[in-house]
Amino acid sequence: DTEVTQTPKHLVMGMTNKKSLKCEQHMGHRAMYWYKQKAKKPPELMFVYSYEKLSINESVPSRFSPECPNSSLLNLHLHALQPEDSALYLCASSPGTGANTDTQYFGPGTRLTVL
Amino acid sequence: AQTVTQSQPEMSVQEAETVTLSCTYDTSESDYYLFWYKQPPSRQMILVIRQEAYKQQNATENRFSVNFQKAAKSFSLKISDSQLGDAAMYFCAYRSWVYGNKLVFGAGTILRVKS
Repeated sequence: DTEVTQTPKHLVMGMTNKKSLKCEQHMGHRAMYWYKQKAKKPPELMFVYSYEKLSINESVPSRFSPECPNSSLLNLHLHALQPEDSALYLCASSPGTGANTDTQYFGPGTRLTVL
Repeated sequence: AQTVTQSQPEMSVQEAETVTLSCTYDTSESDYYLFWYKQPPSRQMILVIRQEAYKQQNATENRFSVNFQKAAKSFSLKISDSQLGDAAMYFCAYRSWVYGNKLVFGAGTILRVKS
């Protein structure tokens, strides 16, 4: 089973709202990722959590705040977003970090629209 | 820094025929991994095939196979007996042996399948 789930599927929010995206996996993976993807473009890495600790932050604005409450769950808290933040947000997980078979498996994404 | 180039923005193939998608990459590393991911219009990114650079044998997964030319830094994907369900955006991706958390994606190739 290589399932990564994400909720909600769609989210519309105003620039003053606070919302959260949720990602869950039950494959025992110890690394989880957030990506941002614009239409017809490749995903851009935002954050990486390794063993529940933030290991990579790709200079993402502070209006995006990741959280990893446990090894199965990854959240992305959103606050004071801009219209240009509208995109598909993808979550991924992989068995570990640095392992030689460390393939990333993606969730279906959350389509975010910022008005 | 590693780069991945997909020179074909769009490709078309007739149903039941064969199509090859191109990917080249640039790296100074000798060990790494290469991936092809498929993203249908439903948007979930799905792993198609994976190749370890230290393996000379080309990876195959049912109708999907790769032509891995390490010296030429080329990693093309061949889809045989194309089906309507193969229509998608295809991303080639590079994963460093050392910096395993980061996937470097190409720009993507849109594959259209004609019936």
